[in-house]
Amino acid sequence: GESVGLHLPTLSVQEGDNSIINCAYSNSASDYFIWYKQESGKGPQFIIDIRSNMDKRQGQRVTVLLNKTVKHLSLQIAATQPGDSAVYFCAENPGGSYIPTFGRGTSLIVHP
Amino acid sequence: DAGITQSPRHKVTETGTPVTLRCHQTENHRYMYWYRQDPGHGLRLIHYSYGVKDTDKGEVSDGYSVSRSKTEDFLLTLESATSSQTSVYFCATGNRGDTQYFGPGTRLTVL
Repeated sequence: GESVGLHLPTLSVQEGDNSIINCAYSNSASDYFIWYKQESGKGPQFIIDIRSNMDKRQGQRVTVLLNKTVKHLSLQIAATQPGDSAVYFCAENPGGSYIPTFGRGTSLIVHP
Repeated sequence: DAGITQSPRHKVTETGTPVTLRCHQTENHRYMYWYRQDPGHGLRLIHYSYGVKDTDKGEVSDGYSVSRSKTEDFLLTLESATSSQTSVYFCATGNRGDTQYFGPGTRLTVL
């Protein structure tokens, strides 16, 4: 069947570069945000999350930035590796909700 | 994967036949979800459960039903499969205000 990465915005980078993937969210009441990575043929995998009382959160090689003023979320991947090639999508959760809204995703292609 | 398994992982069936997909979790998460994922559409919520025997519809629930008789199991049934239900189905679990954890997916083909 078709890859989930088809029909998505694509970011192509060279191995070792830093990658920035962006996400615009829609609900100003959202107070919890998550980034997922989905490799071909696999289920989405949690990468990092951030709550609305923070502007920045860092993990291992990944950083999430939250700009509540313009309702924008970004995922920065440092020293991108071929294993980072995947579809990345964000999710937003309005306060107290247990049903997140998912973005459509960005396909990241890392060239060796 | 937070101890989430799905069965079967792949299934090919014919139009008009019933199909049941199973999701099993070992994390004791209260909430469970069924999504379908199609190129160009992203993840779309079919049904969800907020407790044993408590379920509700998502945005694409037509043609699907669910049941949750135990905390750990959430079943998705296609009463009479159609070709438009060919998709990859993901189960997810979680707790309120926290991240969702996804299973490995079931690829369903309806001929």
